[in-house]
Amino acid sequence: DQQVKQNSPSLSVQEGRISILNCDYTNSMFDYFLWYKKYPAEGPTFLISISSIKDKNEDGRFTVFLNKSAKHLSLHIVPSQPGDSAVYFCAATGAQKLVFGQGTRLTINP
Amino acid sequence: ETGVTQTPRHLVMGMTNKKSLKCEQHLGHNAMYWYKQSAKKPLELMFVYSLEERVENNSVPSRFSPECPNSSHLFLHLHTLQPEDSALYLCASSQAWLRSTDTQYFGPGTRLTVL
Repeated sequence: DQQVKQNSPSLSVQEGRISILNCDYTNSMFDYFLWYKKYPAEGPTFLISISSIKDKNEDGRFTVFLNKSAKHLSLHIVPSQPGDSAVYFCAATGAQKLVFGQGTRLTINP
Repeated sequence: ETGVTQTPRHLVMGMTNKKSLKCEQHLGHNAMYWYKQSAKKPLELMFVYSLEERVENNSVPSRFSPECPNSSHLFLHLHTLQPEDSALYLCASSQAWLRSTDTQYFGPGTRLTVL
């Protein structure tokens, strides 16, 4: 039972356009959501988070949207840059659980 | 030195070998974690230590044995592994366990290959 799902294993976006990464969860006890970014040969690094009491959190080029009724969150990157090419993991926490999705590989094309 | 470090970065071992993975954090955190990342699978949480006590063991086979001698160091002892145990093993730390808003800081991982 995969409680956090990233259904797109890969995504290719042109430089300067918007990248949208999606994540779905099933456990209604999750109350805090995070996005991590991972480059090859490095560990994941924290990118941005959102609490369940909000529906949007913005940090520079990165915005996370949360739709609690749909149990869906998304990460928007605009404008996309070549350095954004990486694997992005969403994670959900709550009720003493921490669960990661399987990741989406984002490639930004020049 | 800052952050979370892991050694070795790469490890190749036979099924009868015994080896250990080491993790060290210099962030003053109280919780440390071991994760397994296999290809095309989610990060799997293996063990959690909080204040040097094991608080989570997610049905991990006994051929993986964690050790946390102090709040800065975490080991994963490996013995009689199987080829399907080949994966990237990631260590992470956070300020506290069970505080969902805490960010986890990850090490670079150990790429393990079991022959």
